[in-house]
Amino acid sequence: ELKVEQNPLFLSMQEGKNYTIYCNYSTTSDRLYWYRQDPGKSLESLFVLLSNGAVKQEGRLMASLDTKARLSTLHITAAVHDLSATYFCAVDASWGGGATNKLIFGTGTLLAVQP
Amino acid sequence: NAGVTQTPKFQVLKTGQSMTLQCAQDMNHEYMSWYRQDPGMGLRLIHYSVGAGITDQGEVPNGYNVSRSTTEDFPLRLLSAAPSQTSVYFCASRQYLGGGTYEQYFGPGTRLTVT
Repeated sequence: ELKVEQNPLFLSMQEGKNYTIYCNYSTTSDRLYWYRQDPGKSLESLFVLLSNGAVKQEGRLMASLDTKARLSTLHITAAVHDLSATYFCAVDASWGGGATNKLIFGTGTLLAVQP
Repeated sequence: NAGVTQTPKFQVLKTGQSMTLQCAQDMNHEYMSWYRQDPGMGLRLIHYSVGAGITDQGEVPNGYNVSRSTTEDFPLRLLSAAPSQTSVYFCASRQYLGGGTYEQYFGPGTRLTVT
């Protein structure tokens, strides 16, 4: 059974600082997603990572995937208040082929950026 | 495009009542799914459908029924509501982008309280 763990669950950081959110998963997969959720809102897609070594960047966020370690990271550079939200990783338990039809989510990381 | 729409936005039910959460998408996506979101648990897949007439169970299907008679609509039925079903429900549809990549679009959510 695929399990997805994120840490930390809560992260309070100051503006201008850097930090990393970690997403570990328990079975082989080469397809991982990152989402953002603002309070009371729906989920917004941030990144889709396919294959080992994939790295994607958008603004102050950079996501990477290490399929051998079963680990993805979401790195925040020089945080700003607008990045305050909950971030989820989600893993599709597939390898080298088409996606399965089940996306398993991590518990989320609540990021609060303090001025 | 309206994207993925859900109704109602909010609902209060008494234990034992039944209701249907509506979900529709106008993007002609074959794959649709239902998730529930509970505090500290991320999103959990309830049911999904890969096309009209085809549905399957996700992680937490008990107490919920689905059917898919058209590509556009994917309603979720609670036959006999229980307090444990108090949650926020998200419907999603998925688009294939090529190269093994999918983009998932989430609806705005339905906040359900069962008393």
